[in-house]
Amino acid sequence: QQQVKQSPQSLIVQKGGISIINCAYENTAFDYFPWYQQFPGKGPALLIAIRPDVSEKKEGRFTISFNKSAKQFSLHIMDSQPGDSATYFCAASIPGGKLIFGQGTELSVKP
Amino acid sequence: EPEVTQTPSHQVTQMGQEVILRCVPISNHLYFYWYRQILGQKVEFLVSFYNNEISEKSEIFDDQFSVERPDGSNFTLKIRSTKLEDSAMYFCASSKGLAGGYEQYFGPGTRLTVT
Repeated sequence: QQQVKQSPQSLIVQKGGISIINCAYENTAFDYFPWYQQFPGKGPALLIAIRPDVSEKKEGRFTISFNKSAKQFSLHIMDSQPGDSATYFCAASIPGGKLIFGQGTELSVKP
Repeated sequence: EPEVTQTPSHQVTQMGQEVILRCVPISNHLYFYWYRQILGQKVEFLVSFYNNEISEKSEIFDDQFSVERPDGSNFTLKIRSTKLEDSAMYFCASSKGLAGGYEQYFGPGTRLTVT
């Protein structure tokens, strides 16, 4: 019930392509869904987040799509760049609560 | 831009020794967290802290672990008697909470190596 499942585990995309990472959850009490970007040896950096009252949120090249009925959400990175190469984690929480992280997706953007 | 800071960046200790990991959360934040990440794995919640007391803890956070906010700025994680399996990156995070927003901002981490 507390798990967040993330796929794929790794992803290789050409420069300029679209990177898509998917997550699924079971706990319907979750109401906050952030995505974090992590470079090697660094802490997770908050990228973008969504609440279940909207189906999509866009910030620059990053878009979260949210499907409440399917209990799924995804991160789309448009025009992917080599500098986007990092590990991406989805997460979920109840208000003010702990973050439950997915397993992570290692993204590699090839020039 | 305000940041969460952590010290030290790397701590090497022998099994059975006590370690204290230090964090300075963002100044107007009210909720504080510790997470850990074993190499190559996902980030796992350890404990949350609000209003000078633990709000929630995971099963990882056993009697060997404790947290403290000794003054108005620092937030510490103590591991009383370290084990080999405590080797991991430890991240501190903070958020404003409630009306201020639930975004959690992470520090750069402390790499703990237990030998």
